[in-house]
Amino acid sequence: GDSVTQMEGPVTLSEEAFLTINCTYTATGYPSLFWYVQYPGEGLQLLLKATKADDKGSNKGFEATYRKETTSFHLEKGSVQVSDSAVYFCARPEGQGFSFIFGKGTRLLVKP
Amino acid sequence: DAGVTQSPTHLIKTRGQQVTLRCSPKSGHDTVSWYQQALGQGPQFIFQYYEEEERQRGNFPDRFSGHQFPNYSSELNVNALLLGDSALYLCASSPTRQGRSGTGELFFGEGSRLTVL
Repeated sequence: GDSVTQMEGPVTLSEEAFLTINCTYTATGYPSLFWYVQYPGEGLQLLLKATKADDKGSNKGFEATYRKETTSFHLEKGSVQVSDSAVYFCARPEGQGFSFIFGKGTRLLVKP
Repeated sequence: DAGVTQSPTHLIKTRGQQVTLRCSPKSGHDTVSWYQQALGQGPQFIFQYYEEEERQRGNFPDRFSGHQFPNYSSELNVNALLLGDSALYLCASSPTRQGRSGTGELFFGEGSRLTVL
C-alpha cells in the first residue's frame, strides 16, 4: 500500500549546520508531497509542499524537491537555527485525497 | 481569524470509560478530519466529516465515532477506552475543494492529549 518513510531521529546539529531529512514514498502516480512541522506543545503546521514532479517547495529557508525518479522529497536547510528545533513530518494524500499519510516524524534538535 | 481550536487540551480517563473531544474548524472551512498521534509516531487518520456525514474512515474500530454539527464543528467520541487509546488527538480542517483534491494543506489544532489509566 501507499506509504511514507522518513529517516529516524533524533537529529542533533549545531547552529548554522546543514540539515537534510530524508523522505521516500510509495505511490501509483504522482501525488502532492508535503512537509509539516510540529513545534513543542503545538499542532502540526504546513512547512512546504510540491504538487507535481520536479517542483521545489520552499519556506523559511527550507527546501524540498519532488524527485519522481527516486520517489523522494528530502528536506534541506543550509543553516539551521535553534528555533528550528521541532519534529518534522513528511506526508502525502492517500487515495482520492480525503486523508493524508504521515511519516513517523524526525525530531531535530539544534544546539547553540 | 481564529484557527482550529480543540478542547479539552488534556484529560485523564480510566479503562472502559468514554470520552468526547471537541473541535471548531478554522473560519471558512467546512471539512474536518481527526487524527490520532501516538507518542513518537506520525498522525494516523481516523475519519473525515463533511456536510455532517462521515466521508471516509481509516483503520479504527467502531469504538471511535464522530459527529459534525451544522456550524461545521465536530466531536470525536471513543467508547470502552483501552490503554492503547492514550495519544494526542488532532483535529484538522480544510476548505472543501482542497480537502478533497489532495493538493491543499490541512490546518491542525494543538490537539487533545488523552491519557488512559
